[in-house]
Amino acid sequence: GQNIDQPTEMTATEGAIVQINCTYQTSGFNGLFWYQQHAGEAPTFLSYNVLDGLEEKGRFSSFLSRSKGYSYLLLKELQMKDSASYLCASMDSNYQLIWGAGTKLIIKP
Amino acid sequence: ETGVTQTPRHLVMGMTNKKSLKCEQHLGHNAMYWYKQSAKKPLELMFVYSLEERVENNSVPSRFSPECPNSSHLFLHLHTLQPEDSALYLCASSPHWPENTGELFFGEGSRLTVL
Repeated sequence: GQNIDQPTEMTATEGAIVQINCTYQTSGFNGLFWYQQHAGEAPTFLSYNVLDGLEEKGRFSSFLSRSKGYSYLLLKELQMKDSASYLCASMDSNYQLIWGAGTKLIIKP
Repeated sequence: ETGVTQTPRHLVMGMTNKKSLKCEQHLGHNAMYWYKQSAKKPLELMFVYSLEERVENNSVPSRFSPECPNSSHLFLHLHTLQPEDSALYLCASSPHWPENTGELFFGEGSRLTVL
């Protein structure tokens, strides 16, 4: 079956670095996506990886290892506004997005 | 004006009511989606429309009935719902389908409570 695993909740300190892991098993693979969702708001696209390696976008970076079925989202210089849920999704061979349940990230001062 | 607008933002209905959720996108996209989001569960894809034609219907109960009159508008008609249908219903759009479906533009959702 198809499955995405990510931690339910993480806590980190303002100014620190946090890494949110995601493992996936899908029928075929057309990319790994990360979305951010603040409470009561729409999910917004953060990143897309289809090749192995690290993609950096400002304070946020996303990593992919296709052979391991593994990705992580790295957030640096954490700010209070980074408190949100982070959704991992893998696109299968039919271009369907398979979603994880999301990781709620709590930032403490 | 936001790219994808959903109304109403909150809806409370009884099991015998009929109501509709509305979604409008101002991005010129060709594909629109309905998703269900329940607490601590993955997003569930319900329906996909591409150029006003339904292309995906993921075993959704018939008490949910979608309508796409044009590429900018999407409705979800609700009737005789069950309490377990209480959730956040998210509308999304993308430029094309099936390609580029990974980068979705979501509305803020309609929070539905079924009593």
